[in-house]
Amino acid sequence: GENVGLHLPTLSVQEGDNSIINCAYSNSASDYFIWYKQESGKGPQFIIDIRSNMDKRQGQRVTVLLNKTVKHLSLQIAATQPGDSAVYFCAESENNAGNMLTFGGGTRLMVKP
Amino acid sequence: DGGITQSPKYLFRKEGQNVTLSCEQNLNHDAMYWYRQDPGQGLRLIYYSQIVNDFQKGDIAEGYSVSREKKESFPLTVTSAQKNPTAFYLCASSIELTGTDTQYFGPGTRLTVL
Repeated sequence: GENVGLHLPTLSVQEGDNSIINCAYSNSASDYFIWYKQESGKGPQFIIDIRSNMDKRQGQRVTVLLNKTVKHLSLQIAATQPGDSAVYFCAESENNAGNMLTFGGGTRLMVKP
Repeated sequence: DGGITQSPKYLFRKEGQNVTLSCEQNLNHDAMYWYRQDPGQGLRLIYYSQIVNDFQKGDIAEGYSVSREKKESFPLTVTSAQKNPTAFYLCASSIELTGTDTQYFGPGTRLTVL
């Protein structure tokens, strides 16, 4: 079936460096993508989203890139800080299928001081 | 966590008991969701509700039940029929079910079966 997955389960970066977390999806009809951050023992926190009519969207220190040709989504975090350490999930949905999100398995980001 | 609250934060249950997890939101959202998360895994949809007095099964509804008597409340009951209930349970809400509205999550309830 259609699914959303991640390339790397764990990413370790040095404080101050930029982080890139990747996500692949297989549903060509997906038109909404979202990144969540989940700290240990807490609920997922919305970071940024992007719709399929865009290929880039920027937030505060974060940028999401969408490549529909290869069905690839990435989250870039600039100047990574210790507080960015968490598990990051991508999720996707299809407009015609309601608001049902399909989640990837998550990538753990570890920031070394 | 926005305006979504879940209680309790930790819950322990003996085998054979039903337990109910609370989820309340003051965001005036129509749609609400329940997810289950197992260690090191993503979220799986249990039940969702588009509007008051309406709810639908998600991918893993067996052994669970819900009600939606009020817009702001969507309690989840984990019944004794659920074979492996130990997990982290997350409630979410969005403005609507149709379209692609952002889902906002509560802080979660960790259920442990003794």
